[in-house]
Amino acid sequence: NAGVTQTPKFQVLKTGQSMTLQCAQDMNHEYMSWYRQDPGMGLRLIHYSVGAGITDQGEVPNGYNVSRSTTEDFPLRLLSAAPSQTSVYFCASSYTRPEVAGDTGELFFGEGSRLTVL
Amino acid sequence: DQQVKQNSPSLSVQEGRISILNCDYTNSMFDYFLWYKKYPAEGPTFLISISSIKDKNEDGRFTVFLNKSAKHLSLHIVPSQPGDSAVYFCALYNFNKFYFGSGTKLNVKP
Repeated sequence: NAGVTQTPKFQVLKTGQSMTLQCAQDMNHEYMSWYRQDPGMGLRLIHYSVGAGITDQGEVPNGYNVSRSTTEDFPLRLLSAAPSQTSVYFCASSYTRPEVAGDTGELFFGEGSRLTVL
Repeated sequence: DQQVKQNSPSLSVQEGRISILNCDYTNSMFDYFLWYKKYPAEGPTFLISISSIKDKNEDGRFTVFLNKSAKHLSLHIVPSQPGDSAVYFCALYNFNKFYFGSGTKLNVKP
């Protein structure tokens, strides 16, 4: 069972370049999300999805796009990279939202993707 | 303005003693409160959680306490073990969104 898989693990971009961070989960989870982790800031929510075809913005969505065409995949796109987007990115998923399942709301995280924008 | 704060960036504890990690929040809207543990170069992993209708939840060596009037969440680890050395994040949930604190790095000394 692979869980949540993120690719690539490392990437260096030049300012203005575009790229896509891939995220795939094999647990049939409804809920998927993207976070960025910066020093002293913890993890901040970029975008999330509660099911295929449904996405919404988190705390820091500017400069990022997402789509959810399948249950398994939730790619994060940087259309024009900026140095301020240098960060470690985490994808996370859960079976469903806590208020629906009445459970803990546990998120399963990928191993992270370290992005540097020069 | 951050809604979730972990004011202690680091904590050092002797093996076998209690570790207490704290988290404060500013908004009463949160429904679920969670703790995650993170090792270097890995993604966070879930540790324990509590819903807003409870004030305590235990799982083995880990206990989470919620004081809603003080808007304060804490994690107690008893007894602490060297393998507990990691960064601990509190996370608060409301309507599809999780809000994380900045983390506390715990060092458990043998």
